[in-house]
Amino acid sequence: KAGVTQTPRYLIKTRGQQVTLSCSPISGHRSVSWYQQTPGQGLQFLFEYFSETQRNKGNFPGRFSGRQFSNSRSEMNVSTLELGDSALYLCASRPLGEFGYEQYFGPGTRLTVT
Amino acid sequence: DAKTTQPPSMDCAEGRAANLPCNHSTISGNEYVYWYRQIHSQGPQYIIHGLKNNETNEMASLIITEDRKSSTLILPHATLRDTAVYYCIVRAPISNFGNEKLTFGTGTRLTIIP
Repeated sequence: KAGVTQTPRYLIKTRGQQVTLSCSPISGHRSVSWYQQTPGQGLQFLFEYFSETQRNKGNFPGRFSGRQFSNSRSEMNVSTLELGDSALYLCASRPLGEFGYEQYFGPGTRLTVT
Repeated sequence: DAKTTQPPSMDCAEGRAANLPCNHSTISGNEYVYWYRQIHSQGPQYIIHGLKNNETNEMASLIITEDRKSSTLILPHATLRDTAVYYCIVRAPISNFGNEKLTFGTGTRLTIIP
């Protein structure tokens, strides 16, 4: 089975711009979560989607949003980019019905805001 | 979720067993212990999890003390590819829907020495 894929892998944007990141979960996985990872803050949960609905949300401003499509693929959007948004953005998927925390992470998108 | 304490860094000789400790003295009765690792510039990778019994899979063994206040991840024959940051997480079981928030601490940076 192919793993979680994320595109693009690297991105450079300037302050004030917006960005859209894409995630394709493992085939059959219907839950997709997004995380932000920075050296200072570590891994922080952004949100989780299941069946095209946001199920849980972390403590991030409204500039961070996401959505999930009927094929379980997900996108996250960050508007009005700030320098502090520079980070590795990770997507993780898990199958419905699995008990526990065996999430499968993608390689991440490294976003640099200048 | 219970908090965990891990040493910031450890070294281990290649071919030897790497023993990574984790303290979770406030763990609740229904919380599992999970281990993930993150190799540089990649997404976190699930390793193993357990509740109270020792667990073993193809990657590692997990030893949980009888009082469940600490655990040790054992990589039996460490290789250079095991160099990574290892995260210990304790978390209650989740339902099928939602609440997928994973909280990683700072982890242990394990370096395998040739």
